[in-house]
Amino acid sequence: DQQVKQNSPSLSVQEGRISILNCDYTNSMFDYFLWYKKYPAEGPTFLISISSIKDKNEDGRFTVFLNKSAKHLSLHIVPSQPGDSAVYFCAASADSGNTPLVFGKGTRLSVIA
Amino acid sequence: EADIYQTPRYLVIGTGKKITLECSQTMGHDKMYWYQQDPGMELHLIHYSYGVNSTEKGDLSSESTVSRIRTEHFPLTLESARPSHTSQYLCASSASRVDTDTQYFGPGTRLTVL
Repeated sequence: DQQVKQNSPSLSVQEGRISILNCDYTNSMFDYFLWYKKYPAEGPTFLISISSIKDKNEDGRFTVFLNKSAKHLSLHIVPSQPGDSAVYFCAASADSGNTPLVFGKGTRLSVIA
Repeated sequence: EADIYQTPRYLVIGTGKKITLECSQTMGHDKMYWYQQDPGMELHLIHYSYGVNSTEKGDLSSESTVSRIRTEHFPLTLESARPSHTSQYLCASSASRVDTDTQYFGPGTRLTVL
């Protein structure tokens, strides 16, 4: 049973527009959420995180929104750039990070110039 | 920029061979992890360690073994490789903190067993 779900396997966005990647989770004990970006043949790169005590965290072009009641989080990239094309993984952990991360299957983002 | 290294980056071997995938980090992180990822799939945790001489199995059953004799080093060993072990293996580490646990990943090892 998948605890972290990314229901869109792929997403195409035009350069300069907003990219919105979504993630749902089922475990109400998750209290820390992260987004990673992965290029082929490389390891995932940490992008941004959010604790369950917040509903928004922003870092440059990247913003993560958390809706605890809906068990949903989203990553917004504005403006999208061709270099953002990669697979994005959502991950979650419980107990303030003292349990291992659980990852979603990822969403492949293609930013078209 | 995280300082975590994996060797080799690519490995092609025959069935039945014993292999060790190396992972080292220079950040002094207590926690280290091994994940396995097939193309288009999620990362599956296969082993983790929260400190020296401490290792645990992850969610995905694996025929591999790990050791943690030094803080910075977390090698993964396959005693007898099989084609079903073909995958990408990712090592990660994180610091022990009260409120957050951001994991930093190495570049991965792409293993192909013929």
